Amino acid sequence: QQQVKQSPQSLIVQKGGISIINCAYENTAFDYFPWYQQFPGKGPALLIAIRPDVSEKKEGRFTISFNKSAKQFSLHIMDSQPGDSATYFCAASLQGAQKLVFGQGTRLTINP
Amino acid sequence: DSGVTQTPKHLITATGQRVTLRCSPRSGDLSVYWYQQSLDQGLQFLIQYYNGEERAKGNILERFSAQQFPDLHSELNLSSLELGDSALYFCASSVGVLTYNSPLHFGNGTRLTVT
Repeated sequence: QQQVKQSPQSLIVQKGGISIINCAYENTAFDYFPWYQQFPGKGPALLIAIRPDVSEKKEGRFTISFNKSAKQFSLHIMDSQPGDSATYFCAASLQGAQKLVFGQGTRLTINP
Repeated sequence: DSGVTQTPKHLITATGQRVTLRCSPRSGDLSVYWYQQSLDQGLQFLIQYYNGEERAKGNILERFSAQQFPDLHSELNLSSLELGDSALYFCASSVGVLTYNSPLHFGNGTRLTVT
């Protein structure tokens, strides 16, 4: 119940296209869903986050869509750029649990 | 730059040895978290401290221990090292308890190689 399942493991998108990464969870008590971006040799960096009381959050080219009934959330990257090539992690947390549970990661490659 | 500082960046040591990884959290952050990242296990939570006290424990081996000092920096001690301990070890910090308004900020990690 503490798992977050992420797909796909790897994704190749053409420049200007839309990148979509999906995550699913089991524990309905999760109440915080961040996405992290990690470049080689660097630590994960917070990209965007959402709470379960909203269905969508947009920041620039990055959008989180959240489906509470399906227990799924996804990251959409619009107008994908080569600089977006990185590994993306979804995560979830329980209020007061003091830890993030991470998905397995998606390696995104944007071809120029 | 997240403001979280980890040293050393790389560490190569032999099986059976002991190492210490150091972390300085962002200025003002009271919580420190340790994560292990390996290829087959992803990011695994090890342990969390808040203002010097242990608050949460994850899949941390008995051979591993950590502490947070009065100046809020933290150290992760790994002993009796095995080949399987080779991984990236990340420290993260947050202002207070982990919430939407107090997210985790990660350092750039320490890459440990056990030979």
